[in-house]
Amino acid sequence: NAGVMQNPRHLVRRRGQEARLRCSPMKGHSHVYWYRQLPEEGLKFMVYLQKENIIDESGMPKERFSAEFPKEGPSILRIQQVVRGDSAAYFCASSPFALDGSTDTQYFGPGTRLTVL
Amino acid sequence: AQSVSQHNHHVILSEAASLELGCNYSYGGTVNLFWYVQYPGQHLQLLLKYFSGDPLVKGIKGFEAEFIKSKFSFNLRKPSVQWSDTAEYFCAVSPITSGTYKYIFGTGTRLKVLA
Repeated sequence: NAGVMQNPRHLVRRRGQEARLRCSPMKGHSHVYWYRQLPEEGLKFMVYLQKENIIDESGMPKERFSAEFPKEGPSILRIQQVVRGDSAAYFCASSPFALDGSTDTQYFGPGTRLTVL
Repeated sequence: AQSVSQHNHHVILSEAASLELGCNYSYGGTVNLFWYVQYPGQHLQLLLKYFSGDPLVKGIKGFEAEFIKSKFSFNLRKPSVQWSDTAEYFCAVSPITSGTYKYIFGTGTRLKVLA
């Protein structure tokens, strides 16, 4: 069973360009989470999605950032007009839905390291 | 605001030494608790988790953690570390709030085990 897949693993963008980060959850998982890790900091929650729905976006910056998890295909985190401060590692996690509480166990992908020049 | 503190940012131990990494959180309600490990060049892997029941939980690779509710703590322990335990360790808390399962992470502890 393949784990959470993220691509690209490394992404370099110039200021003002757009960055698109992709996340394919584990098979059978319907919940996706995005986290950002700045240098020397822990992971910070950004957004929680289920298929075609944003459930919690309390950690998303108000401008330039958006996320989606369509019915078909991977979840996408999109950053428009990137700035140097967006340079970070972006991690995706997924979890199943289950009444036994295992919904609350997240499995992480390898991350995408975004560098903004 | 909800937060998680890992007081030890860097720990260096010799092989066979005992390990204890601290984790404290600030949230008055019910929580689920996790420890994740990130080996060099790899993604985060779940070490262990606590949802309810026995506050002493056993994880993979000989790790265990104890939930002390009165102290809002969930410290990670291992009686005898190995060189292969060199990694970064993250404590995470999931407040049980209706409708969301987001994690709050600590800043991580980098463990280096000397052979």
